[in-house]
Amino acid sequence: GENVEQHPSTLSVQEGDSAVIKCTYSDSASNYFPWYKQELGKGPQLIIDIRSNVGEKKDQRIAVTLNKTAKHFSLHITETQPEDSAVYFCAASTRANAGKSTFGDGTTLTVKP
Amino acid sequence: DAGVTQSPTHLIKTRGQQVTLRCSPKSGHDTVSWYQQALGQGPQFIFQYYEEEERQRGNFPDRFSGHQFPNYSSELNVNALLLGDSALYLCASSSSGDSSSNYGYTFGSGTRLTVV
Repeated sequence: GENVEQHPSTLSVQEGDSAVIKCTYSDSASNYFPWYKQELGKGPQLIIDIRSNVGEKKDQRIAVTLNKTAKHFSLHITETQPEDSAVYFCAASTRANAGKSTFGDGTTLTVKP
Repeated sequence: DAGVTQSPTHLIKTRGQQVTLRCSPKSGHDTVSWYQQALGQGPQFIFQYYEEEERQRGNFPDRFSGHQFPNYSSELNVNALLLGDSALYLCASSSSGDSSSNYGYTFGSGTRLTVV
């Protein structure tokens, strides 16, 4: 089955700096890669996603890149703010099995004011 | 527009007991997936329900079962509870009609199950 590895497990940055979280996946059939933000006491919230036919996607301060050949994808957050502090999860799935996502173990991001 | 609603929010059970968790999907969604999230880990897929049937299942024992009702709401049942079943149980919903838009899911806030 699919295996998703996520690094780093913790990340601390100063407000205004950039943060990068990286994930690798094992199943070449995976073609959908969402990123979720989970705040304390809440469920994961989708913040951005990318499909395998796209190399990069941006949404304001957040961007995701995908390298299908190397089977890795990354989340980039620019101009970080204290409210960006949360646990971030990457996931992978196929369109055929879109309900069955495999998640990474998460990255705890702390943005220091 | 109500999102995904899960109940109860917290639950404490004794080893060997049975538990039922409930989920109401987001309005307009017809597919429900259940995930188990242990402390410090990512969610793990349990199973998915669509048209009142289990469509896919993850690596969970038969002690975990579910049901989907005609109104698309769903239940997760766990029998013979073990200490290791203590976790946050998440329900996520989506629409089977999302063919061109994102495939992402809307998650509920979860039910925190503690087995003692």
